[in-house]
Amino acid sequence: QVQLQESGPGPVKPSQTLSLTCSVSGVSIKSGGHYWSWIRQVPGKGLEWIGCIYYSGTTYHNPSLKSRVAISVDTSKNQFSLKLSSVTAADSAVYYCARSLLRLLDRSFYFDHWGPGTLVTVSS
Amino acid sequence: SVLTQPPSVSAAPGQKVTISCSGSSSIMGNNYVSWFQQLPGAAPKLLIYDNNQRSSGIPARFSGSKSGTSATLGISGLQTGDEADYYCGTWDGSLNTGVFGGGTKLTVL
Repeated sequence: QVQLQESGPGPVKPSQTLSLTCSVSGVSIKSGGHYWSWIRQVPGKGLEWIGCIYYSGTTYHNPSLKSRVAISVDTSKNQFSLKLSSVTAADSAVYYCARSLLRLLDRSFYFDHWGPGTLVTVSS
Repeated sequence: SVLTQPPSVSAAPGQKVTISCSGSSSIMGNNYVSWFQQLPGAAPKLLIYDNNQRSSGIPARFSGSKSGTSATLGISGLQTGDEADYYCGTWDGSLNTGVFGGGTKLTVL
């Protein structure tokens, strides 16, 4: 049974870097076949895809966030991580990690397993 | 949002409702669309992928279709438990980015 769980240090101050980790169980990230995504949702608003990573380190990012986003993977711990720099109050959101399937040639992209999400608040 | 959904739809229990998702031809023209259900206070859940494939455990009351630059989620035999937000998503091959619709709130009257 595939399970994902987000974790992070809690509130973040403006201009600092938001750091989150997603721990994956039930499947090995390095088994391949899936990308591992970060998605966020401002409370009461819609979903925003942040980016994803393959076990090999290949990444894709939302162009609107790309300059501030870094996604990494640690296959030894079966985890992947998100760093979002220079945060503002607008980055306050529930952050989800999810397993995704991406077929570039078909332009097929979907998320079949999600973590419960973690609320990150940016406040001084 | 890159993909356009109606903000809200409503129907009575037992009825059928459809939710549309449209986009530009460059994004939706040759893409596969997925659909997600988000119950209040919960993480989204995959309902439909590749336009019309139901995810594991999803009842046949949920269906998906796509024609041209529009995709549609259908929910028949509506139940009060179907009240949720529904999102469509796909891959923008020109920007190599995932995109979502703005979401549709379903009310079962």
